[in-house]
Amino acid sequence: AQKVTQAQTEISVVEKEDVTLDCVYETRDTTYYLFWYKQPPSGELVFLIRRNSFDEQNEISGRYSWNFQKSTSSFNFTITASQVVDSAVYFCALYNYGQNFVFGPGTRLSVLP
Amino acid sequence: ETGVTQTPRHLVMGMTNKKSLKCEQHLGHNAMYWYKQSAKKPLELMFVYNFKEQTENNSVPSRFSPECPNSSHLFLHLHTLQPEDSALYLCASSQDGEQGRPRGTEAFFGQGTRLTVV
Repeated sequence: AQKVTQAQTEISVVEKEDVTLDCVYETRDTTYYLFWYKQPPSGELVFLIRRNSFDEQNEISGRYSWNFQKSTSSFNFTITASQVVDSAVYFCALYNYGQNFVFGPGTRLSVLP
Repeated sequence: ETGVTQTPRHLVMGMTNKKSLKCEQHLGHNAMYWYKQSAKKPLELMFVYNFKEQTENNSVPSRFSPECPNSSHLFLHLHTLQPEDSALYLCASSQDGEQGRPRGTEAFFGQGTRLTVV
């Protein structure tokens, strides 16, 4: 069975702090894809990153970075120097053949000025 | 023009009404999805259409009826809904491989329809 766990329901930080959102997944497949999405108050899920199971290189994009560790089945997301505009619900998702997308429950991030 | 467009953005309907949600994607994708997002619950996959064929129906009540007339349009027909059906309904599309084999591409989402059943 496929499952995605985001243990942090809500996180609050003060602007300019760094924050890490955790994601742990379960799958029996060897080929799969992991994603992070951002859902601002407007409702639309905005794609942030895709990572396939054969690429464990960490990635950095501006203030965003992702740490993929197959050994612990984790795909954590770090925002450096957080800003108020980062306030949103963040979803981690898993996709593999025949299973479609499985989303975690989401982490609500509030960045306070 | 956004990639995935949903209309209406907000809908209030009575339990005896019939209404339809519309989703249109301008990305040339061949797979489309309906998700339901209720307060304090994970995103729930409702229906999947791949190459216009319904490939998944996650035990959704028959009061929800999807329609996919072509690869760019997806509808969700609603009738005799219950108050607990009130939620944000999200449409998404992605580019799947031939014969349903995934390319692992990301799904693009619309802004959703906020449905309230009274």
